[in-house]
Amino acid sequence: GAVVSQHPSWVICKSGTSVKIECRSLDFQATTMFWYRQFPKQSLMLMATSNEGSKATYEQGVEKDKFLINHASLTLSTLTVTSAHPEDSSFYICSARDYLGGYEQFFGPGTRLTVL
Amino acid sequence: GNSVTQMEGPVTLSEEAFLTINCTYTATGYPSLFWYVQYPGEGLQLLLKATKADDKGSNKGFEATYRKETTSFHLEKGSVQVSDSAVYFCALGGYSTLTFGKGTMLLVSP
Repeated sequence: GAVVSQHPSWVICKSGTSVKIECRSLDFQATTMFWYRQFPKQSLMLMATSNEGSKATYEQGVEKDKFLINHASLTLSTLTVTSAHPEDSSFYICSARDYLGGYEQFFGPGTRLTVL
Repeated sequence: GNSVTQMEGPVTLSEEAFLTINCTYTATGYPSLFWYVQYPGEGLQLLLKATKADDKGSNKGFEATYRKETTSFHLEKGSVQVSDSAVYFCALGGYSTLTFGKGTMLLVSP
């Protein structure tokens, strides 16, 4: 139980294009989803928190117009990197929390984004 | 603000060796402490947790004790296996957010 998937697992795109990453909770309803970014040999940095049906709350320094987050259902959240540039290349990880399960976060396997 | 510092890896051990991965933290208030493990190609999984000082979290032979006086939450295992090879993340937080350390890679050879 408590499985979170991400799609795609890796993506390569050209500079200036937009990329959408999906995060799904497969066997539970995720009232809250989190998006993290991880640079090589670095910590996971929280980008934003989204609650189903509400606007995402972004961490300081994260451009909300560049990283669009939608959490339209209890099992799906999407992160869209708009007008991607090489500096956006990173490993993006989502997690999901079900209020019935307490505060534990269940993590997806991550998406490797490379912007050429 | 909150921060977590972990020992840098990789940590390379032979099977059945004793494991310690150090983790120290700075935090306001009284956070919960966690160890997550990430196996190759998989997401992070909660390994163990402790919610208050002197609590010991344990799972799969791993254990860690919440030491408020030394602000530490070191991960230990008495006898590692090849299957324990993974990246281990120390984290602190609670209901709203988690703050992670950089992760420590563990490599166990037969």
